[in-house]
Amino acid sequence: EVRLVDSGGGLVQPGGSLRLSCAGSGFSFSGYWMSWVRQSPGKGLEWVANINQDGSEKYYVDSVKGRFTISRDNAQNSLYLQMNSLRADDTAVYYCARDQVALIDYYYYGMDVWGQGTTVTVSS
Amino acid sequence: EIVLTQSPATLSLSPGERATLSCRASQSFSGYLTWYQQKPGQAPRLLIFDASNRALGIPARFSGSGSGTDFTLTISSLQPEDFAVYYCQQRSNWLYTFGQGTKLEIK
Repeated sequence: EVRLVDSGGGLVQPGGSLRLSCAGSGFSFSGYWMSWVRQSPGKGLEWVANINQDGSEKYYVDSVKGRFTISRDNAQNSLYLQMNSLRADDTAVYYCARDQVALIDYYYYGMDVWGQGTTVTVSS
Repeated sequence: EIVLTQSPATLSLSPGERATLSCRASQSFSGYLTWYQQKPGQAPRLLIFDASNRALGIPARFSGSGSGTDFTLTISSLQPEDFAVYYCQQRSNWLYTFGQGTKLEIK
């Protein structure tokens, strides 16, 4: 079964740090782009960051640049999101997602597998 | 940054009716437009990729169309399980944005 399992969420004070993890199984993890997407309480989806297969390319939404770092360990089939200088507006459910991107022409098939989400609450 | 605006915010229809959801981009782009469905307490589910292609396992009643700045998701005959929130998403270069969502509710 193809599966992503998110973990690492919790309650953190403003200015604090947290590291989210996403474990992939049932597919060749190293062959895929991966993304983090978040959803604030009662709000819509917001893409946060993505990373290519070997970790050499990373992109971020402007609101997290300089504070969040996406990374991966293909040997461990794992994706990470290091979140520093957290603010109240970072409070959200964070999902990891598998990005279906063709290797040759980068044709984009969308985010086809999602984790269950992990909740981050930034509050004093 | 390409901004996606979805309309209407809420759509109230009955089972069996046809649903038409709109997604408009702030500028024409040559990237990819994707649609997702999300039910309460669940992760999003991929429906349509590259504007008009159904993802694996998606019923034929779901269809997508459009190009440039205007895109549409159509559900031909609503089933009870289709009532959910729908999001469009674009990929331009390697940056993604989502629309704010359309809630499809039972009338």
